[in-house]
Amino acid sequence: SLVLAQPPSVSVAPGMTASITCGKNNIGIRGVHWYQQKPGQAPVLLIYDDADRPSGIPDRFAGSTSGNTATLTISRVEAGDEADYYCQVWDSRYAGVFGGGTKLAVL
Amino acid sequence: EVFLVESGGGLVQPGGSLRLSCAASGFTVSTHYMSWVRQAPGKGLEWVSILYSGGSPYYADSVKGRFTISRDNSKNTLYLQMNGLRVEDTAVYYCAKTDYNNYYFEDWGQGTLVTVSS
Repeated sequence: SLVLAQPPSVSVAPGMTASITCGKNNIGIRGVHWYQQKPGQAPVLLIYDDADRPSGIPDRFAGSTSGNTATLTISRVEAGDEADYYCQVWDSRYAGVFGGGTKLAVL
Repeated sequence: EVFLVESGGGLVQPGGSLRLSCAASGFTVSTHYMSWVRQAPGKGLEWVSILYSGGSPYYADSVKGRFTISRDNSKNTLYLQMNGLRVEDTAVYYCAKTDYNNYYFEDWGQGTLVTVSS
């Protein structure tokens, strides 16, 4: 099976930088995408194709990949960034696959 | 601007059926890939189904044979017919406009809650 491993939680102080990782146990799949979901709201696309940002997403949010790990980096963290973050890929066999999600806590 | 509005959720007994709708505006459903994604209470996101612009559907193994995705071009609306519902199908169901190159979910509706319980 295709597994995207995310840490269950990440904590960061306001103004600092948060990094959320997404580990793929299979290589050769398409780009990694990232979503932010605040409580009671629908997910919002943050990053697509590993590192691209949709219009309207602040440049504090950045995506990168290295080997089998994708990383979402949030710079100058704000209280409003507190949310669940999900990575996602599309695989030819397993189709849409999400990571288990990471809860970002802003201390 | 893209808007997606889901409806049709509710309480249903195990083994029952429901049809979810997703009314779209700001773009044409028939010329885009469209997906359903669900989220069980307190859990993560799970992709359910995709309908390609050419009309071909694809399903997650967990719903294959029970759910059917379709669209009505005249109403610019996406549907999810859910039969043989199980307790584990309880979730908020989101429809999402899906990128045709790398299959990311670029726009989402607000979701509709399906509760399967006796």
